[in-house]
Amino acid sequence: GQQLNQSPQSMFIQEGEDVSMNCTSSSIFNTWLWYKQDPGEGPVLLIALYKAGELTSNGRLTAQFGITRKDSFLNISASIPSDVGIYFCAGQGGTGTASKLTFGTGTRLQVTL
Amino acid sequence: KAGVTQTPRYLIKTRGQQVTLSCSPISGHRSVSWYQQTPGQGLQFLFEYFSETQRNKGNFPGRFSGRQFSNSRSEMNVSTLELGDSALYLCASSFRTSGASSYNEQFFGPGTRLTVL
Repeated sequence: GQQLNQSPQSMFIQEGEDVSMNCTSSSIFNTWLWYKQDPGEGPVLLIALYKAGELTSNGRLTAQFGITRKDSFLNISASIPSDVGIYFCAGQGGTGTASKLTFGTGTRLQVTL
Repeated sequence: KAGVTQTPRYLIKTRGQQVTLSCSPISGHRSVSWYQQTPGQGLQFLFEYFSETQRNKGNFPGRFSGRQFSNSRSEMNVSTLELGDSALYLCASSFRTSGASSYNEQFFGPGTRLTVL
């Protein structure tokens, strides 16, 4: 099945550092979303973007919806230990696709003290 | 409000058996989607149900099926299990946000971990 290209695959950073990850697609999406998944849990929505070019913040998180609607990035500022987890981008929406989410390959984030 | 619940949380089956997984959506949500998560293929869309009707289907063989009941609860069934069906199966319920830029916000359950031996 289709997966969006997400990079980097994994990151090891120190507490307090900023983090950046991005996602690209060969298809256009109407909505871009960023999720975080902790071990043993389902993904939790962090940020939703639904307008090309839009820049949205949620606390220490900032995400942008690419102008071509084929890419997005997520920044996390001043990382803390609870930021550890796997981050997924997801694209949603297109003709007849209703709620279907197409996920990225994931970025595993490790934060050291 | 209670979140999405999935039962069972863990399941071990052998090849050739069949399995049924259950999902109870958030109260008021009428759409339920299912996803398969594996290390190799990541998160892949299985199907979506809305008002007891399958609205969308992913690229999975016919061994994977689902249904939705009038109370929006959903089940998915996998018949003739194969080793490659070992995965975390996630259910997500959704509602459509309001406004000009509405979209279907999905809330995920904790998943059912299926192991096929």
